[in-house]
Amino acid sequence: QKEVEQDPGPLSVPEGAIVSLNCTYSNSAFQYFMWYRQYSRKGPELLMYTYSSGNKEDGRFTAQVDKSSKYISLFIRDSQPSDSATYLCAMRLNNAGNMLTFGGGTRLMVKP
Amino acid sequence: EAGVTQFPSHSVIEKGQTVTLRCDPISGHDNLYWYRRVMGKEIKFLLHFVKESKQDESGMPNNRFLAERTGGTYSTLKVQPAELEDSGVYFCASSQAGRNTGELFFGEGSRLTVL
Repeated sequence: QKEVEQDPGPLSVPEGAIVSLNCTYSNSAFQYFMWYRQYSRKGPELLMYTYSSGNKEDGRFTAQVDKSSKYISLFIRDSQPSDSATYLCAMRLNNAGNMLTFGGGTRLMVKP
Repeated sequence: EAGVTQFPSHSVIEKGQTVTLRCDPISGHDNLYWYRRVMGKEIKFLLHFVKESKQDESGMPNNRFLAERTGGTYSTLKVQPAELEDSGVYFCASSQAGRNTGELFFGEGSRLTVL
């Protein structure tokens, strides 16, 4: 079983839709949770960073962490074609520096 | 300010040959990481340098892989001899000292194809 599970998609939505991306994980010791966005042939770039449970909002993006369910989500409001990319969840242990455990990524396509 | 740069962007070699990948981190970033993604799998951690010292190399798959960071600036990752299963994209990332917020700045990756 993978430590972090993520539906690979592709997820296709119309422009303006609300997008929900999710990951589940098995290691309850993970404390830090991140969402990275990766455009084709580029490296991942950090979108959101959350410590422990709770919500965090940044513009059109909202990250949610439910540690009791071992479930994290990323919501994108008013999705744009420029949001089309692969979204990777990542997480790490408390004293693991930046040794991240990634999900496999969900490919999102936002159609005009 | 230049980002993390990696060279080559793509390398095609035959099984048994040697390949050396290079990473130039963002200037002033003490932390340097190597990750890789093999086909159909998730991105996995290989190792972490703090300046020129290996902080954590628990993700290195075997002794065919050798990473160096002489002088604490750029880093190289050598695969010798390369095997078919080494094919994938090798990402380098860097971060500032003391910043353990998950904010890694990734390069565009070096794609390795072993035939």
